[in-house]
This record gives sequence, structure tokens and C-alpha cells, in this order.
Amino acid sequence: DTEVTQTPKHLVMGMTNKKSLKCEQHMGHRAMYWYKQKAKKPPELMFVYSYEKLSINESVPSRFSPECPNSSLLNLHLHALQPEDSALYLCASSQDHSGSSGANVLTFGAGSRLTVL
Amino acid sequence: AQTVTQSQPEMSVQEAETVTLSCTYDTSENNYYLFWYKQPPSRQMILVIRQEAYKQQNATENRFSVNFQKAAKSFSLKISDSQLGDTAMYFCAVSGAGSYQLTFGKGTKLSVIP
Repeated sequence: DTEVTQTPKHLVMGMTNKKSLKCEQHMGHRAMYWYKQKAKKPPELMFVYSYEKLSINESVPSRFSPECPNSSLLNLHLHALQPEDSALYLCASSQDHSGSSGANVLTFGAGSRLTVL
Repeated sequence: AQTVTQSQPEMSVQEAETVTLSCTYDTSENNYYLFWYKQPPSRQMILVIRQEAYKQQNATENRFSVNFQKAAKSFSLKISDSQLGDTAMYFCAVSGAGSYQLTFGKGTKLSVIP
């Protein structure tokens, strides 16, 4: 299995809703990532989990809450979002070479397209 | 700090022809990696090719090859025998060894014309 699976593919939510994005991989990767991508822009890193512990939080607003229940799963909980949060949310995973000379080569999922009304 | 510059927002190429996408970068890391990712309209980012900065030999993957000029901090992607399925946004990226931070360029939108 060489895939990162993201659900749902599309999500429309109101500003008062609570929803979650899910990501799953079975490649044995120990680093998992959330990126946000606006139209015609490169992805922007939001969070990184290493061995199920939050390693990087790129000053993301608290209305985005990540969770890594186990080494294969990554969630992004959404609450009280704003219309400007509408974007493609990409999950990725990699071997964890933190602190070594290796490369963390990312495998991406197909993304969840989020629309906030 | 790292920066990546892709100076060609859009390019087009005839099917079966060759095209080169440009990328320049800057990094303070001594050991780093360079990547080209492809994002077709289906949205999924796919790794096209990667280069280890300490290796002088240019990486190749089938029809895709790079021209890595370390002193000039240049990392261009050559696509030979272009196919319709190569139509996509191409992102150049750099990452320090062992780092989680992957810095992307703004991308080049490539259209392959039949």
C-alpha cells in the first residue's frame, strides 16, 4: 500500500459547524503532515506529527485542531471556521528522518476540498 | 531560511516535444534535497524526481531529468517526449536534510498541446 487516503473529498460547512478531516496511511511512515493550499498557490505547512506527537505547529489558529490517534491516522478537527479558511487541505506522510541526513520524502493524499459558507 | 523561485508561471509544449522548467533556490543548509512535484487537475501532489545536493550526478526518472547546478543554485526539470498526462502544475521544492520543512516555489502551470 503506497497511498495516503483522505476523507471526505469535499466538505461544505457553516461557520458554526464542527467537522473533521481524516487521513490514513499504511506505509509505516512515522511523520504525518497537514498542508493548506489556496487556489493557484503552493501548499503551506500547518502541522507535523512525529511518532504521534505534535512536532510543528505553524502558528495555526485554534479553530484548527489536529489529532494523531495512532501511527496510521491523522485528523484535523474544524470548528468555527471563517470563509477565508476555504481551501484544499492536503495530508502527507513520510519516513521520519528528523535529526539525520536523510530526506523526509512526502507522499501526499488527494486532498479534502473545504468550503466554508 | 529557504526560498524557491520559479520564474515561468505558465508554459506550453507540443505533444512529443521536450520542455524545460526553471527553478532557482537559496538555502543556508549545507546538506539539502531538491524535489519536483507535479499536481494535475485531480489535485494529488505526486513526486516527480528528487536530487540529493551532495551528489553531482543529475537525477533521472524515465522521461524526466534534472539539470542541477549547485554553484548557481539552479535546479531545472526537463521533460522529454511530452505526453498529455504531463499537463499539471509543477512545483520545485527544497528541504534541509532531516527537516520537516519543505519550501515550495509558486509553481509553473504546464499545458501539453495535442
